[in-house]
Amino acid sequence: SYELTQPPSVSVSPGQTASITCSGDKLGDMYACWYQQKPGQSPVLVIYQYNKRPSGIPERFSGSNSGNTATLSISGTQPMDEADYYCQAWDSSTGVFGGGTKLTVL
Amino acid sequence: DVQLVQSGAEVKKPGESLKISCKGSGYSFTTYWIVWVRQMPGKGLEWMGIIYPGDSETRYSPSFQGQVTISADKSISTAYLQWSSLKASDTAIYYCARRSHSSGADYWGQGTLVTVSS
Repeated sequence: SYELTQPPSVSVSPGQTASITCSGDKLGDMYACWYQQKPGQSPVLVIYQYNKRPSGIPERFSGSNSGNTATLSISGTQPMDEADYYCQAWDSSTGVFGGGTKLTVL
Repeated sequence: DVQLVQSGAEVKKPGESLKISCKGSGYSFTTYWIVWVRQMPGKGLEWMGIIYPGDSETRYSPSFQGQVTISADKSISTAYLQWSSLKASDTAIYYCARRSHSSGADYWGQGTLVTVSS
């Protein structure tokens, strides 16, 4: 079955740019999404179709794609951005999530 | 406003059956796919399956095929996730979400905690 690979953890200093990667075979041929999940809360869509932001998502969140890797970037990271982040793509007719990345803002 | 409201927490014994629900409102329920997602304690998100309430077309992730049944009743804008025989390993939070027309899951339910313990 299809797999998406994310680093388990990423650390960033406040105000710096955080980058979280997601790798998968032929990921560039699929639409990748990113979700943010804070403790005790439901996930929130922050990026869809690689680089589009839903309404209400701050401009500091951006996405990109290169070959088999999608990247979520958070510029000017704030303490409120500390959360788990999951990438997601579609494998034929069903979806698949990456394992998740815990973003720590030190 | 778009809302997905899930049924409340459940405590069950191994071997029991269960059906949890997800009621959509504020949008055309029959024209958006509904996704079910599992999150085991302290773990990541897992894609279980998806249903199109308009015609009940359903697709399952290979890991969940045969383990759960996804259904929908479009007359009451409600999707369901059910088990015929629960196991302790089914203990998790289960989320429903709406798949937007641009492929991301843009609205999520509040989650249903299912605890299976003898």
